[in-house]
Amino acid sequence: EPEVTQTPSHQVTQMGQEVILRCVPISNHLYFYWYRQILGQKVEFLVSFYNNEISEKSEIFDDQFSVERPDGSNFTLKIRSTKLEDSAMYFCASTIFGGGSTDTQYFGPGTRLTVL
Amino acid sequence: QKEVEQNSGPLSVPEGAIASLNCTYSDRGSQSFFWYRQYSGKSPELIMFIYSNGDKEDGRFTAQLNKASQYVSLLIRDSQPSDSATYLCAVNIFTGNQFYFGTGTSLTVIP
Repeated sequence: EPEVTQTPSHQVTQMGQEVILRCVPISNHLYFYWYRQILGQKVEFLVSFYNNEISEKSEIFDDQFSVERPDGSNFTLKIRSTKLEDSAMYFCASTIFGGGSTDTQYFGPGTRLTVL
Repeated sequence: QKEVEQNSGPLSVPEGAIASLNCTYSDRGSQSFFWYRQYSGKSPELIMFIYSNGDKEDGRFTAQLNKASQYVSLLIRDSQPSDSATYLCAVNIFTGNQFYFGTGTSLTVIP
């Protein structure tokens, strides 16, 4: 069964450093998403991406964040200068279509980001 | 503000009982509703979705939607210890490309 993959599974970084989280969405999916989940808290939407541009973003997704689809398979989330509060699990998800009433998101296993 | 509210629990039920999980949402533009299960340290996994008023059954799971009351629920029949997890309610607004999640309800099924 096709699945979303994410690398690395765990990333440890120093405050102020840049990190890039990688995702490979399901191959025939067109919409891609990043979410984060701070330990013990809810899953929070960061950004959605379609046709090589951001479709929607939340207030969390400030200038420190950027997304890119550098090739036909990878979808990346970059955090330019990490802060302690960026420590969280980051999930990538993809859907075939976007915003449809029966569209289903498939989640990757997540990348645990720890900022020291 | 698009809010999705869930009782955080914990909810405990004995094995074989029915577990009832509830969710309310604030945005009347919400079109589709999803229930995910999340084990500790893992990603959400889809249980089922519903978008029409009424009940939708899938095996031991039944989702119920009442758009007038802005309420969606999940019933788990014949609960098993392996059902012990956090259950997340999520809503999608048709005109948007965002999914909003509740904080989740922690369920423990006692053998």
